[in-house]
Amino acid sequence: AQSVAQPEDQVNVAEGNPLTVKCTYSVSGNPYLFWYVQYPNRGLQFLLKYITGDNLVKGSYGFEAEFNKSQTSFHLKKPSALVSDSALYFCAVSTLTGANNLFFGTGTRLTVIP
Amino acid sequence: DTAVSQTPKYLVTQMGNDKSIKCEQNLGHDTMYWYKQDSKKFLKIMFSYNNKELIINETVPNRFSPKSPDKAHLNLHINSLELGDSAVYFCASSRVTGAATEAFFGQGTRLTVV
Repeated sequence: AQSVAQPEDQVNVAEGNPLTVKCTYSVSGNPYLFWYVQYPNRGLQFLLKYITGDNLVKGSYGFEAEFNKSQTSFHLKKPSALVSDSALYFCAVSTLTGANNLFFGTGTRLTVIP
Repeated sequence: DTAVSQTPKYLVTQMGNDKSIKCEQNLGHDTMYWYKQDSKKFLKIMFSYNNKELIINETVPNRFSPKSPDKAHLNLHINSLELGDSAVYFCASSRVTGAATEAFFGQGTRLTVV
């Protein structure tokens, strides 16, 4: 069975500081990992994904994530947070099952404090 | 141009009614999905269609019936609405059916059953 855990419901960070949003996963087989962001009253927007290759993945808006197989983690990071980064962030995982069935984490609300 | 559009954006209706939510994508994608986001922001897939054919049908009540008249449209019809159906419903699409493909989401339809 596939599952994703986002251990923090809420993350607060000061503007200009680095931010990390945590994600761990559990799958049988090789994982495909995604990060999405949801702004208020909006749909989810794709940020980045890890499929294979380099463990450090760069995505939209200066975000990056590092795949760590031994720790089964895929934490989202940004070197310098902006107030506009405040949103709900979802980690998701899928595996090669022949269908694109994304399993989402419960989301982490990021608040960047001016 | 909106890539994935859903109508209506808000839907308030009484218990027992039948309602439909429409979804259209202009991205030329082959695969479309319906997701449900509950009040705690938990996001779960309901259905997946590839070229008008049903691929995934997660455990949802059979009061929910997706209809795909063509590969650009995936409508969701709900019969005999119940209070527990209140949620935000997201339509999404992806270029192909495959675990490595990211999905593009609509802005959501907030359904409130009273």
